Amino acid sequence: AQTVTQSQPEMSVQEAETVTLSCTYDTSESDYYLFWYKQPPSRQMILVIRQEAYKQQNATENRFSVNFQKAAKSFSLKISDSQLGDAAMYFCAYKAGTASKLTFGTGTRLQVTL
Amino acid sequence: GAVVSQHPSRVICKSGTSVKIECRSLDFQATTMFWYRQFPKQSLMLMATSNEGSKATYEQGVEKDKFLINHASLTLSTLTVTSAHPEDSSFYICSARDGSGGNIQYFGAGTRLSVL
Repeated sequence: AQTVTQSQPEMSVQEAETVTLSCTYDTSESDYYLFWYKQPPSRQMILVIRQEAYKQQNATENRFSVNFQKAAKSFSLKISDSQLGDAAMYFCAYKAGTASKLTFGTGTRLQVTL
Repeated sequence: GAVVSQHPSRVICKSGTSVKIECRSLDFQATTMFWYRQFPKQSLMLMATSNEGSKATYEQGVEKDKFLINHASLTLSTLTVTSAHPEDSSFYICSARDGSGGNIQYFGAGTRLSVL
């Protein structure tokens, strides 16, 4: 069974600084997708970024980028120029290519300080 | 991005009553919808996968007679918590997968259920 591990329950970053959230996963599949979702205090899940396993190039979305290391089964999220609005729970998620459901990690709570 | 509407956002009910939660994809057709439960400070736990026009697939340990799921159209899935009890109090979230081939799940804003 696929598993997703987020080893950092909480992280803190100063405004305008950069922070990296870690995620590792375990799978025997070769075709899969990885996602980072953000859940702010409103509890609305928001897609931050996604990565297709077949793509070697790391995905980027404005201030958000990933470091996808397929051999190491690692998928970290880098947030640059952190803003107060980035404070939230961040969940890493995995989806096998042929499956429909997501497997979520346990989440990392990110605090952004002045 | 695509919008998923979930209603109601909050419901308080008496023990023994049934509660229905609706999940609608507003600007896309969702062949597959998902229902999650989230306990405080925990991750999302998948309860069931709902496919349009067919029976839902429930995860292990989820009572299908307790949590009735109906996916009657490509834009609407409902979750009915039958004979609710205080232990059913939780945050329920739905998501919808874009049927056009995308691999992204878009989430509703969630429903906080409190059973007295």
